[in-house]
Amino acid sequence: NAGVTQTPKFQVLKTGQSMTLQCAQDMNHEYMSWYRQDPGMGLRLIHYSVGAGITDQGEVPNGYNVSRSTTEDFPLRLLSAAPSQTSVYFCASSYSRGGHNEQFFGPGTRLTVL
Amino acid sequence: EDKVVQSPLSLVVHEGDTVTLNCSYEVTNFRSLLWYKQEKKAPTFLFMLTSSGIEKKSGRLSSILDKKELSSILNITATQTGDSAIYLCAVEDYGGSQGNLIFGKGTKLSVKP
Repeated sequence: NAGVTQTPKFQVLKTGQSMTLQCAQDMNHEYMSWYRQDPGMGLRLIHYSVGAGITDQGEVPNGYNVSRSTTEDFPLRLLSAAPSQTSVYFCASSYSRGGHNEQFFGPGTRLTVL
Repeated sequence: EDKVVQSPLSLVVHEGDTVTLNCSYEVTNFRSLLWYKQEKKAPTFLFMLTSSGIEKKSGRLSSILDKKELSSILNITATQTGDSAIYLCAVEDYGGSQGNLIFGKGTKLSVKP
């Protein structure tokens, strides 16, 4: 098993550009989520999905879109990048929502918006 | 508003020291508390706690939950340089956050040789 994979590892964007961060898992997990991590801020939930076709907002959803067309993939789209979106982004998956199921994290994408 | 507070935010110790990291929480409907270790990349799971007073142990690391005090501690004995990392505490609130995890800001531990 590859676990949770994310691409790209690094990305530099200009303000106003759009892009998609890719996330895939091969563990047949129903629950997937996107977090951003900023210095001194811990991990903050952006969007999550409890299964294919179902997504919902987390704590900081503004400026981001998600979709879940398959169990395996959960891409995160930045519609019009802003410097405030400079961060490290982690995708995670687990068998179901909640702490009773260990979340597996991807290696992260470091995004810089100029 | 649900929140998770970790202390201290950073800590520097020498190899062989014992450290205690703290996590306190205020959530609507507590279900579980988790500890993660984050080195250079993704967080990795350490412990999950759901019941008060039961200690979870893994080698030199141990953790215990106090549901009355709404807090948890993570102990590391005989620290090694490889323990240097950010330690994250997360709480599952089955009410307000609909079962998602709420993370604290983390404690950055530096272990010097």
